[in-house]
Amino acid sequence: AQSVTQPDIHITVSEGASLELRCNYSYGATPYLFWYVQSPGQGLQLLLKYFSGDTLVQGIKGFEAEFKRSQSSFNLRKPSVHWSDAAEYFCAVGAAGYSTLTFGKGTMLLVSP
Amino acid sequence: GAVVSQHPSWVICKSGTSVKIECRSLDFQATTMFWYRQFPKQSLMLMATSNEGSKATYEQGVEKDKFLINHASLTLSTLTVTSAHPEDSSFYICSAETGAVYEQYFGPGTRLTVT
Repeated sequence: AQSVTQPDIHITVSEGASLELRCNYSYGATPYLFWYVQSPGQGLQLLLKYFSGDTLVQGIKGFEAEFKRSQSSFNLRKPSVHWSDAAEYFCAVGAAGYSTLTFGKGTMLLVSP
Repeated sequence: GAVVSQHPSWVICKSGTSVKIECRSLDFQATTMFWYRQFPKQSLMLMATSNEGSKATYEQGVEKDKFLINHASLTLSTLTVTSAHPEDSSFYICSAETGAVYEQYFGPGTRLTVT
C-alpha cells in the first residue's frame, strides 16, 4: 500500500523568503505525485503533478517540485513566498491505472510580514 | 477551470437523524466521483469511489450502510450519513474526475456537526 509523509505539521516563512515543503512517499512502483493547496472555504487546488519525464515539475503560482526517486521525495519549492500563499499544503500519491489518491497529513504554511 | 460545488457547506444535526450532502460538477460531466473525510489536523481519507449508475466502492473500514452514496447522474453524487452520531462529525469533501485519469477537481467541503 502506498503512503505519504509530510514531516512538518506547520512552517512559518517570512514574506519574500524561499520555501520548501517536504514530502516523502512509499510506493513499490513508479508513483504519480501531486501537490494540492487548501485555503479556508476553498476546495483543494492542484498546484502541480508528476507522472513521468523531467523530474523538475513547474506548477501554478510560481511553485515547483522535484521528484527524487533515490530519496522517495517530492518536495515543493517556491523562491519567494507571498502572504497569499498562507494555506495548507497536501502531498498525494497515486498509482498508474487507478484514480484513487493517498494524501499526507498536510503542512500548514504561515507567512510572517 | 472546472468547478465542483457542495451543498450544504455547513450543517448541524441531532444525533440519530440523517443528513444528505450533495456534490455537483458544474461545468463538466464526472465519470467518477470520490468522497473523502477529513479530521482536524489530519489527512483526507478516501471513503468511497462512485461511478454514475453503479454502486459505490467503499474503502475498508467504511460502513456502507451508514454512508450511503448515490451517483444518479454525471453531474451529481450524494452522500447520506444515516443515523448520525457525534463521532460522525467531520469535514466531508468530494471530488469529481473528468474522465482523464487523475484529473480531479475538489469541492469546498461540508462541515458536519452532530449534537
